[in-house]
Formats: sequence, structure tokens, C-alpha cells
Amino acid sequence: DAKTTQPTSMDCAEGRAANLPCNHSTISGNEYVYWYRQIHSQGPQYIIHGLKNNETNEMASLIITEDRKSSTLILPHATLRDTAVYYCIVRVGSYDMRFGAGTRLTVKP
Amino acid sequence: GAVVSQHPSRVICKSGTSVKIECRSLDFQATTMFWYRQFPKQSLMLMATSNEGSKATYEQGVEKDKFLINHASLTLSTLTVTSAHPEDSSFYICSAPHQGASGPYNEQFFGPGTRLTVL
Repeated sequence: DAKTTQPTSMDCAEGRAANLPCNHSTISGNEYVYWYRQIHSQGPQYIIHGLKNNETNEMASLIITEDRKSSTLILPHATLRDTAVYYCIVRVGSYDMRFGAGTRLTVKP
Repeated sequence: GAVVSQHPSRVICKSGTSVKIECRSLDFQATTMFWYRQFPKQSLMLMATSNEGSKATYEQGVEKDKFLINHASLTLSTLTVTSAHPEDSSFYICSAPHQGASGPYNEQFFGPGTRLTVL
């Protein structure tokens, strides 16, 4: 699997967009970028994934750079309930997801 | 989306006893499920892959005789922590892949986790 690098922690003001970066410079052509989040003491929750095109769903947007070496997860209007650890994972498929340290996002009032 | 449940949500046991944790896919079938372990302030670590109808495959460093996995049916996998010790205290999470609304690649749906405390 391609290695990913994420900031350890980030803060965001409630109602503002949260932009979470992820570097994956060794990504191969058939690997997808997956984002999951884990709210404290719960199981991880799928957010979004993409290959090379930008993706958007009801939860978030995923922006992947043209060279695919980095991506950004965007939560357009962060709420207090979005406080969680966000994991960026690069995989060919979603089987046996392996988690790095992730980014601890704290949304502040 | 698909739902994965775990039972129990929390268990406290004495050292030396065995504890069974169940993982169920409620509205879909899963021939494969995954078991993770998470220590406080750490990330999830994949322990093993549970395969319906065949033996589980374990990650390097995970003792298969200590963490017994049985994939009894297409909707149930169990993890038994045998002769539990305080160092086995952790948050155990299972997951199962399922075709999601996002497209051809399966999504992983995670259970809510089971917190094991060994005294």
C-alpha cells in the first residue's frame, strides 16, 4: 500500500470549511484514495473515496491533485459532531483497510 | 448504508478467562470480515481476516491460538480471546465489505466496537 502522511491535528471553527490534507506521493495508478473517520469510542465511518477525479457526496468533497500525489478532504460546513480522527488510506480496493495515525480534527464553537 | 453490529459492546472479565465477541452483518451477507484492535490513543490495527467456510488469516505478530476466529455463517463472525490477560484490554472492532452506493468497489462497514477490560 502507498504510504500516507497527514497532519497530527487540526482545528476548525464551527460553520467553516474544514480542509484536511493527505500526502500519498508513492500512490500507484490503480490505487484509490479512501477517507474514513472515527468519532471517539465508535467504529470508523466511511466518508468518500476517489481514483483521480474529484468526488462529492452528502458528507464531503474529495479533491485529488492532477499528479495524484496528494488529496484534500473538505467538510464544507463543519459542525461540532464532525470532531473526530480522519484517516486517509490508499488502497487498490477497500478490503482489509490499514489505518495510519490520521488527523485529529477538533471543531470549535 | 449497511449495518454491522457487535455484541457485547462492553465486557469486563477476570484474568485467565475467555471472552467471545460477536460480529454480525445485519442486512447483507459477508463471506469475509475483518477484526481490528485499538489501544487507547492509537490507531486501529488489523488483527485478522475472517473467512466463511475456511480458516482465518492472521496478521504477523497476532497469536492465532489466543485470538480464535470462527466465521460460522454468512452473517456472523466471532472472536474469542482465550485466557485473557490485562494486556489484552483493548477496543475490538470488526468490519465487513459490502457493495455501497459509491460504486463498484466495496465499502467497508465497521461495527461499533467492543471494549474489553481484563482485570
